Amino acid sequence: GQQVMQIPQYQHVQEGEDFTTYCNSSTTLSNIQWYKQRPGGHPVFLIQLVKSGEVKKQKRLTFQFGEAKKNSSLHITATQTTDVGTYFCAGPAVPDNFNKFYFGSGTKLNVKP
Amino acid sequence: DGGITQSPKYLFRKEGQNVTLSCEQNLNHDAMYWYRQDPGQGLRLIYYSQIVNDFQKGDIAEGYSVSREKKESFPLTVTSAQKNPTAFYLCASSSGLAGVPGADTQYFGPGTRLTVL
Repeated sequence: GQQVMQIPQYQHVQEGEDFTTYCNSSTTLSNIQWYKQRPGGHPVFLIQLVKSGEVKKQKRLTFQFGEAKKNSSLHITATQTTDVGTYFCAGPAVPDNFNKFYFGSGTKLNVKP
Repeated sequence: DGGITQSPKYLFRKEGQNVTLSCEQNLNHDAMYWYRQDPGQGLRLIYYSQIVNDFQKGDIAEGYSVSREKKESFPLTVTSAQKNPTAFYLCASSSGLAGVPGADTQYFGPGTRLTVL
């Protein structure tokens, strides 16, 4: 069945260091979305990438969608303590049901001040 | 305010009892979802519904049941057949409009932490 894996599972960084999480799907995704879940909270939508090879930026966050639409990455430059949380990638498979979503296993980021 | 509500936030039940978790949305979304999250784990899809009176099993549907009698409501029942029901349960919705950009973006409720004693 469909699987979406993320690495690393955990990452501990010093404030100011960069951070990257990688997302790999076993099948092609029609789009990739990234969510952030703060400790004790619920996932919150960050961004959606649709096109092959697409790159989007949100301030210190850079998101990339692979050429084959099976992998993606999230890079945070100069982490801050507010970046603490778990980052999930997610998306619907192609040509699977549009509304069936697959979430990655998540990367938990801890930032030491 | 528009959004998704889940109640209660914390729920305790004795082993062998069925329990129903509430999920309501006023976003006028067609699609709704239930996920289960275990400590340090990702989200696993239990059930989803694309439209009223229709729902589909996700990856871990065994021991759970749902109904979708109204567009705004998608309650989840955790039955006694679910072997390890203690978890964090998240409900989500999306507009579900096929082909519309952003239509599958998921909006989550605050979640219900279920503990079975």
